[in-house]
Amino acid sequence: SQQGEEDPQALSIQEGENATMNCSYKTSINNLQWYRQNSGRGLVHLILIRSNEREKHSGRLRVTLDTSKKSSSLLITASRAADTASYFCATRKDTGRRALTFGSGTRLQVQP
Amino acid sequence: SAVISQKPSRDICQRGTSLTIQCQVDSQVTMMFWYRQQPGQSLTLIATANQGSEATYESGFVIDKFPISRPNLTFSTLTVSNMSPEDSSIYLCSVRDPGQGPYEQYFGPGTRLTVT
Repeated sequence: SQQGEEDPQALSIQEGENATMNCSYKTSINNLQWYRQNSGRGLVHLILIRSNEREKHSGRLRVTLDTSKKSSSLLITASRAADTASYFCATRKDTGRRALTFGSGTRLQVQP
Repeated sequence: SAVISQKPSRDICQRGTSLTIQCQVDSQVTMMFWYRQQPGQSLTLIATANQGSEATYESGFVIDKFPISRPNLTFSTLTVSNMSPEDSSIYLCSVRDPGQGPYEQYFGPGTRLTVT
């Protein structure tokens, strides 16, 4: 089954605005991570939230996790043109497979 | 964090041929993974490469099509065999070492493959 569906698929905002991306998943997880990918290049790890955490901050990033709803959100505040990229959530199950399973991703375009 | 390099960074290949992608890590890691990212899509796990044993493949991927080697704790190769245009993708190597932090997974820059 598909693990990690994200919405919106694409998001276009103006510089300075906030961007919110959502991720839903289907199985129980150990942790959930967010990654950024610029123009089809390698992935950069942004932030990790453990299953027993509800909210986490890192600079302009804020991540929430609701395990009862099996969902997470990534908020980027005061966006910049350099934030233009694809953002993926990724989960690791609490048992079994050790690799991350990725969501479908959100393509964020920040207009200068 | 682990630093990962991949070779080649990109290639254009003819259908029916094979390409071997190399992944080199700057430290010894226990877990190494290969992902495929088709154009405009998310990442799909191909297999987990274990040092000293055969790779473990995900549903939909087979060893004959994607043979993998893992001769030591810093290196792995993925071969895309008998290529067709449907194999055009970015192939990414990824590592995880619980000894360096139990949760994070690091990615190489990817190999962009185009099959004509």
